[in-house]
Amino acid sequence: QSALTQPASVSGSPGQSITISCSGTSSDVGGYDYVSWYRQDPGKAPKLIIYGVAYRPSGVSNRFSASKSGSTASLTISGLRAEDEADYYCCSYTDNSTLVLFGGGTKLTVL
Amino acid sequence: EGDLLESGGDLVQPGGSLRLSCAASEFTFSRFAMTWVRQAPGKGLEWVSGISGSGGSIYYADSVRGRFTISRDNTDNTLYLQMRSLRAEDTAVYYCAKVMSAFCGGDCYFDSWGQGTQVIVSS
Repeated sequence: QSALTQPASVSGSPGQSITISCSGTSSDVGGYDYVSWYRQDPGKAPKLIIYGVAYRPSGVSNRFSASKSGSTASLTISGLRAEDEADYYCCSYTDNSTLVLFGGGTKLTVL
Repeated sequence: EGDLLESGGDLVQPGGSLRLSCAASEFTFSRFAMTWVRQAPGKGLEWVSGISGSGGSIYYADSVRGRFTISRDNTDNTLYLQMRSLRAEDTAVYYCAKVMSAFCGGDCYFDSWGQGTQVIVSS
């Protein structure tokens, strides 16, 4: 099964806002509110930053927000900071035989 | 959220077998589903397998179904992944992760991760 579709890279300047999209189908993102987002720093394990489409785990900055419209989920980072540079992955439940799908990942560069 | 420590990664020949372990601490292991996620060199994350807190429900990605077996020992707080018939495309860092709930159903969110263990399949 194909991964969810994310842009390979996005960039922004400090203080700006950026949005990362995650496109799926009615079998995953579009059909269920089971979308999550993970941040991964180079050489490190991923970290959960959003679950249930738009909920932030304790300790995650409110500069991170997320939403979903149809079969596309979005992660927005506001007030961009240098430390936000990382790879970001979306993830969704799928009703196909593979239970969970990840997106291909998006590399965020802070200019 | 919990501490997780993977082990067992190694260099193995195509067609070979390997068993990964993940030792859990700092949380009540049996109350939560667990999962394995892998990352091939320079590539994105790929979900591999999940198991409910009791061990009664098990899930696999299509890419590993029939070759990999997930299991857990709730008395020893350890998660396992038995890998057989390994292929070059199984080369990856394998992460174990704790799921936020007892079942890895729709709400299969991974709130704690280990540091990963490297598996290389090559002759």
